[in-house]
Amino acid sequence: SQQGEEDPQALSIQEGENATMNCSYKTSINNLQWYRQNSGRGLVHLILIRSNEREKHSGRLRVTLDTSKKSSSLLITASRAADTASYFCATDVPPKLSFGAGTTVTVRA
Amino acid sequence: DAGVTQSPTHLIKTRGQQVTLRCSPKSGHDTVSWYQQALGQGPQFIFQYYEEEERQRGNFPDRFSGHQFPNYSSELNVNALLLGDSALYLCASSLAGLAFFGQGTRLTVV
Repeated sequence: SQQGEEDPQALSIQEGENATMNCSYKTSINNLQWYRQNSGRGLVHLILIRSNEREKHSGRLRVTLDTSKKSSSLLITASRAADTASYFCATDVPPKLSFGAGTTVTVRA
Repeated sequence: DAGVTQSPTHLIKTRGQQVTLRCSPKSGHDTVSWYQQALGQGPQFIFQYYEEEERQRGNFPDRFSGHQFPNYSSELNVNALLLGDSALYLCASSLAGLAFFGQGTRLTVV
């Protein structure tokens, strides 16, 4: 079974809008990471948030972590067509990453 | 600096055959992990290699085996292929916990 679960499964937005996706997990973690995958290719690392952090920013990305609720969210602001991809959260319990099934984001021009 | 490279990119095999997938880690990385990603699913951890030893294994049968070489590159071997082994196989190398993924090998079993 997968540790993380993303919600929603799919998201369709207009270019320029914001996209928010959530991740819930089951066990205690060291870190939580978000990855992007374009068209079934390799995973691109987006951001890592440590268990003692509550919020982190990277460019147009904002990640929050609530360890008491075992949940995280990824916000993409001012979306672009190039943001069309699947997004995965991965809980980091060394030595492995446990992924959810992902959120598929489609950005319409 | 080359990232994680995997070969081949695509592969078609017949049920019952054996396959070997290869991975070269990012420069300076000494740990290699393998993941299987079925269509529409997230990647599932197969195993991890460090210092040429299997460090941890996920819930995969013994048909899945691996190896790490002194130069840190790695191979994933799958014996007695089943139709259900069709998937994208991802290799990740890591240093200090941050994992970088290759583009994957798309294996189709017919």
